[in-house]
Amino acid sequence: QVQLVESGGGVVQPGGSLRLSCVASGFSFNNFALHWVRQAPGKGLQWVAVVSYDGTNQYYADSMKGRFTASRDNSKNTLHLQLTSLRPEDTAMYYCAGGRSLPDNWGQGTLVTVSS
Amino acid sequence: QSVLTQPPSVSAAPGQKVTISCSGSRSNIGNNHVSWYQHLPGAAPKLLIYGNNERPSGIPDRFSGSKSGTSATLDITGLQTGDEADYYCGTWDNRQSAHVVFGGGTKLTVL
Repeated sequence: QVQLVESGGGVVQPGGSLRLSCVASGFSFNNFALHWVRQAPGKGLQWVAVVSYDGTNQYYADSMKGRFTASRDNSKNTLHLQLTSLRPEDTAMYYCAGGRSLPDNWGQGTLVTVSS
Repeated sequence: QSVLTQPPSVSAAPGQKVTISCSGSRSNIGNNHVSWYQHLPGAAPKLLIYGNNERPSGIPDRFSGSKSGTSATLDITGLQTGDEADYYCGTWDNRQSAHVVFGGGTKLTVL
């Protein structure tokens, strides 16, 4: 059974940093791309980033480029998202999702709140 | 403003059929496969359709997808109250480096 479990969310002040993690199980982790997708309160899904199956390539949404860094550790079946220079508009539920190409299987999400 | 355009809401009675549209352009839907997701409040988004019209195991055949040109469609037949949720289309966009784009979401109400 495919399972993705996010952690690391919390309350952070504007300009602060946070590191999110996602531990995966139940599938061949090394063979799948991994995405981060977020949902701000009352808004729709917004794609954040993708990391290729071997971690050599990462792509980001324009508004997050330079502030967010996605990485993966295939030896630990773990995906990370380093968030820096956080803004109130980054407040959202952050989901990790794995897939052959587009997101297929999703985690339950971890909530990030940026507020002073 | 989402790259892919979906109607904000649709509604129909139990047992009826509903269609949700997703409109894009040649750089996204026109040249890439489309996936559809169901998102219930407080739950993880769930894949309903991938590869434009393929259902993952466990998804009932009441859900079907299609694509024509730069638009995609999700059909749900035999509506049930449990189908009330937000539905999103998603695909790759080739305009820049690899980017995934989603529609703005459609709220389905089963009357």
